[in-house]
Parts: sequence; C-alpha cells; structure tokens
Amino acid sequence: SYDLTQPPSVSVSPGQTASITCSGDKLGDKYASWYQQQPGQSPVMVMYRDNKRPSGIPERFSGSNSGNTATLTISGTQAMDEADYYCQAWDSSTVVFGGGTKLTVL
Amino acid sequence: QITLKESGPTLVKPTQTLTLTCTFSGFSLSTSGVGVGWIRQPPGKALEWLALVYWNDDKRYSPSLKSRLTVTKDTSKNHVVLRLTNTDPVDTATYYCAHMVADSDATGHYFSYMDVWGKGTTVTVSS
Repeated sequence: SYDLTQPPSVSVSPGQTASITCSGDKLGDKYASWYQQQPGQSPVMVMYRDNKRPSGIPERFSGSNSGNTATLTISGTQAMDEADYYCQAWDSSTVVFGGGTKLTVL
Repeated sequence: QITLKESGPTLVKPTQTLTLTCTFSGFSLSTSGVGVGWIRQPPGKALEWLALVYWNDDKRYSPSLKSRLTVTKDTSKNHVVLRLTNTDPVDTATYYCAHMVADSDATGHYFSYMDVWGKGTTVTVSS
C-alpha cells in the first residue's frame, strides 16, 4: 500500500510562514490535495491538484509538489489557521490520506 | 450549492452490519466526473478513506476494508449508501461523505479529490 507521511505537529508564530510537508514515494508524479480540519468540524479542502486554491480559500495558502514531497505553505499565518491538516493523493485508483499535522499558532 | 448529509444509527452492536446513507443536493451523480466518497475518523485519530462511487457506477474500496464494505448509489433519490459488515469496536468513528471530483491532466493522468464534505455522523460500536 502507498503511504503518506506528515509531521505530527508544526508550530508557527502569528504572521510568520508555516510549511507542512507530506512525503511519499514519487509523490511528485501524483497530485496532492490538502484538507484543513478545525476542532469539531468536518474537513475543508484548501488545495487541490498540488497548487490550486478552491474558491474562498485565502491567498496566503499555497502548495507545491516535487520529488517525494508535497508542501502546504501558509504565509502570514493567522490564529484562525490553527487546525489539523491532511494531505491526500490518488494511488492505484484509491484515495490515500496522510496521518495529519496539527498546526499550532503561538 | 453542494450539500451532503450523513445519516444512520448512532449505536451498533459488534458483528452487526452498519448502514449509512449520504443524502446530497446541488449535483447529480449521473454527471460525468462526479463521485461520492466515504471517509471515517476514529476519535482523536486521522482521516481514513473507505470507499467511493462514481457517476458511471465505478466503485473503489480501501484495500484493508474491501471485504467488509459495499457502496451503492441511487441517482434518482440523490443518495449513496455505505454498508460495513461484521462491525467491531474499532469501527467506532465519525463517518463523512464527500463530493468527489474525478479529474485528469493533459497526459491522461487521472486523480480524484473531495471538494465538499458533509458534517459527519458519529457511530459507536459497542455491546
């Protein structure tokens, strides 16, 4: 089976840039999506097709994917960005999620 | 506006079959490129993809749960049903359904993602 690995936690100061990584074998050959999940809420897609932002997602969210690593970058991080983030890819015609990263803004 | 809502029992006994329904609006499951997926999340744990069904009735399952899962669609009623057999306490989770997009790039590389999610329904498996 295909595995996606994320760091369990990332911390960032308000206004700084947060980078959340997602690693998988030749992940750059696939397309990555990212989901934000606030406590007690259902996930919201914040990035798809590596670097496409859905309507309504702030411009401070950006994405990249190359080699074995996809990265979600949040520039000028705000307190409201504190949440769990999950990467997702498509492998062998099935959906795969990463283990999630808790982003703390402090 | 796309919306999805999960419904089903909140409590099931071990070994029973869990049946969940996803009722949606704002799209048709007969439209090319559209699908509905099921994802679950045990308390305090990560998302786990379970199954999906596409507009053309193509179905995919998580390899680890394939033998226990069945997904069906009823296009006329705008709902998708997920069945999980032989439940166990480890199946306790919040179950989500989501609108899926089947996309492809210029090289013909296919992939999918979940752009709208339901609010989820919590299921406890316990005797």
